[in-house]
Parts: sequence; C-alpha cells; structure tokens
Amino acid sequence: SQQGEEDPQALSIQEGENATMNCSYKTSINNLQWYRQNSGRGLVHLILIRSNEREKHSGRLRVTLDTSKKSSSLLITASRAADTASYFCATGNSGGSNYKLTFGKGTLLTVNP
Amino acid sequence: SQTIHQWPATLVQPVGSPLSLECTVEGTSNPNLYWYRQAAGRGLQLLFYSVGIGQISSEVPQNLSASRPQDRQFILSSKKLLLSDSGFYLCAWRSGDRNSNQPQHFGDGTRLSIL
Repeated sequence: SQQGEEDPQALSIQEGENATMNCSYKTSINNLQWYRQNSGRGLVHLILIRSNEREKHSGRLRVTLDTSKKSSSLLITASRAADTASYFCATGNSGGSNYKLTFGKGTLLTVNP
Repeated sequence: SQTIHQWPATLVQPVGSPLSLECTVEGTSNPNLYWYRQAAGRGLQLLFYSVGIGQISSEVPQNLSASRPQDRQFILSSKKLLLSDSGFYLCAWRSGDRNSNQPQHFGDGTRLSIL
C-alpha cells in the first residue's frame, strides 16, 4: 500500500503565487523526501528532511515535517511557469531495510503564466 | 559526477515478445539500484532493487525479472510480455552508503507500449 499520500491531487495557480502541497504517511520514518517529475521524464530529487528535523529550506522551497501528525508540506514560493510538474513525497522507513523509498501518487501542479 | 543512462526511451512490443531494458550508472561504485513502474497519473511502484552484483530483491510477483551482471548495470527482462506490462519504467540509483538518509537519482525512463 502507498505510504505517502499527497494532497491535493491537482493544484492550479497563477505565476507569482505560492503553492503548498501536503503529504501524509502511516509508519515511522527515517526521512521524507520530495521529488519533482516533468511530464514524460524521470524524477528529480528536491529536498530531504530527516525525522529529527522540523523545517528545511532550499531556494524557493520550504519543507516542514510533523512526525506527531505523520505529515509534511512542500511550499514553493513565487511560483513560475517552469515549476509546472508533478511533485511526489517519498518516505524512507525506519526499521527493516534502509534501502527502499515508498512514493505517494503525487500532486500535479500547474502554474499559469 | 554521477550519471545514469536508461534505454531505450520508448519501446513498442507485441504481446508475447521478450523484453530487455538496460540501465547503467557512471561515476559511483557499489550503488543500490532500483526498477520502478509508473502507471499513467500514478505514483511509483517498486519492482526490484539490488544492493550488489547478483543480489536481486523482488517487491511484487509478476511477469518480469531483473539481473545485475555488473556493479553498475541493472537489467529488467521478460520472457513473454503481457498487455498489463505496459507502462513507464524508471531506473534509479542510490549511494551504497548504509546511511539511510540518501536520495535516489532517476534515469529518464522507458515508455513501454504492448500491442
């Protein structure tokens, strides 16, 4: 079953606005990662937040993690048309194998110029 | 720097034909390697992963198999393709460092259509 579930499934905004995507998961994690996928391409890693971190920034990206609620959010500020893509969260689970990630179904973000 | 190559980019095959998709990684040693399948508009389903030469873990029972004949080569195969094997196949690698806090790096994928 899917570990991460993104919300919303699709988001359409105007250029310059902020975009917020959420991810919920079910089991204990070592880390949570966000990836971006342009249509028909592979996934690109954006940011990794460890289970003992609460917030992380990278350029226009801000990720928060609330392990008590088993949820994370990805904020893209001052969005651009080039940010149009699908965004996936993925969890690296604690215990058992350290090698696998479990991906959600993604949020399709459309930024209109 | 590390790079990952996956080919072909697109493939159209008849039902019942064999399959071989290849993935190679450059610029790193002893990577963890992964094959995923992505259905249209869906997330990624992990099919196989490998932590070393000849070591393959299968995540779901299916018509596919994987092999790792060399350290940086990962092959996805089938003897007889089914219609349900259609999809977008992605190869990925991750540092073999046992530190769990490592990202995965993806190839550009193969779009497989079964007719």
